[in-house]
Amino acid sequence: RKEVEQDPGPFNVPEGATVAFNCTYSNSASQSFFWYRQDCRKEPKLLMSVYSSGNEDGRFTAQLNRASQYISLLIRDSKLSDSATYLCVVNGGSSASKIIFGSGTRLSIRP
Amino acid sequence: DGGITQSPKYLFRKEGQNVTLSCEQNLNHDAMYWYRQDPGQGLRLIYYSQIVNDFQKGDIAEGYSVSREKKESFPLTVTSAQKNPTAFYLCASSIEGAQANYGYTFGSGTRLTVV
Repeated sequence: RKEVEQDPGPFNVPEGATVAFNCTYSNSASQSFFWYRQDCRKEPKLLMSVYSSGNEDGRFTAQLNRASQYISLLIRDSKLSDSATYLCVVNGGSSASKIIFGSGTRLSIRP
Repeated sequence: DGGITQSPKYLFRKEGQNVTLSCEQNLNHDAMYWYRQDPGQGLRLIYYSQIVNDFQKGDIAEGYSVSREKKESFPLTVTSAQKNPTAFYLCASSIEGAQANYGYTFGSGTRLTVV
């Protein structure tokens, strides 16, 4: 089993739709979690951290389920500009070598 | 503006040649990292440095070398020993010990191709 797994997609949804994707992780000792956004042929950019109680930033909601070892990202009222690859990142310890990137979920928003 | 600058944006390497990728940051971050990204895969850690004059191997360090002589700079050399170097290389930095809370800042990447 991969340490961090994501559905690669692509998710193809109409503008205005709500879309959600999950990311599962194998290390139960993982301490912190993030969602990054990566546009085609660009660098990843931090979208949001994921807190235990769940957190929201505008149209984006991130949640953590420690019991089932997954995090989720919900995008409401999707925009064309939301089209990108979303990377799940899990920090399993205090060393950089414990920070694991998922391979990403590709999202495409159609007009 | 503070940030990380990677150069060049595109780089072509001949077989048997060493090439060096530049990474400079003015964020006053202690920690710097090099990742490699291949199509359809997550980022894989090559090397990281938490302090000047010190660095550690990541998961795929073979065929690569780094130096950290200055806090601002963390160049990566792709040696001829790296048999499959074609990839997108990303440099990142973070406040030391805080990548757990604040994540990374990435440079815009260098796309290396073997010709």
